Amino acid sequence: QKEVEQDPGPLSVPEGAIVSLNCTYSNSAFQYFMWYRQYSRKGPELLMYTYSSGNKEDGRFTAQVDKSSKYISLFIRDSQPSDSATYLCAMSTGGGNKLTFGTGTQLKVEL
Amino acid sequence: SAVISQKPSRDICQRGTSLTIQCQVDSQVTMMFWYRQQPGQSLTLIATANQGSEATYESGFVIDKFPISRPNLTFSTLTVSNMSPEDSSIYLCSVGEGTSTNEKLFFGSGTQLSVL
Repeated sequence: QKEVEQDPGPLSVPEGAIVSLNCTYSNSAFQYFMWYRQYSRKGPELLMYTYSSGNKEDGRFTAQVDKSSKYISLFIRDSQPSDSATYLCAMSTGGGNKLTFGTGTQLKVEL
Repeated sequence: SAVISQKPSRDICQRGTSLTIQCQVDSQVTMMFWYRQQPGQSLTLIATANQGSEATYESGFVIDKFPISRPNLTFSTLTVSNMSPEDSSIYLCSVGEGTSTNEKLFFGSGTQLSVL
């Protein structure tokens, strides 16, 4: 079993839809939870950063962490074609330890 | 945020040869990280490069195969040696935000390597 599980998709939605992307994990020591967005032929860019449980909102993006269920989500409201990318979840126990990434979910927002 | 320039952006190489990937950062950073991204797999840390000391390699990666240089606080190279088709992958350079965290990472655009 992988330490972090993420559905690879592809996920195709119409413009304006609400998108839900999810990851599950097995290591209860994870404290830091990140979402990275990666466009084709580009490196990942940090989208959301959350410490411990709870919600964090930034514009159209909301990150949610449920440590009791070992489950994290990224919601995208009013999705746009420019949101078409691969979304990677990542987690860390902190203290300078390395990040553990999911495999990424490919999202396509269609006109 | 750091700006990272990585080159080459892509290359096609013959089996048994070596390729050196360069990574230049627009600010001084303590640690630089080298990742591998294979299709359908998660980003995997190869090694952490500190200036003035040997790189620290993750399990499954060895210095003879992936030698790393870190001559100063803004530059690093990763060499993929004696390549085989299994080395075909995207290789990414990254740095952390600030000096005390490696959760918030900035990435270069990557090097798409194909080995024939």
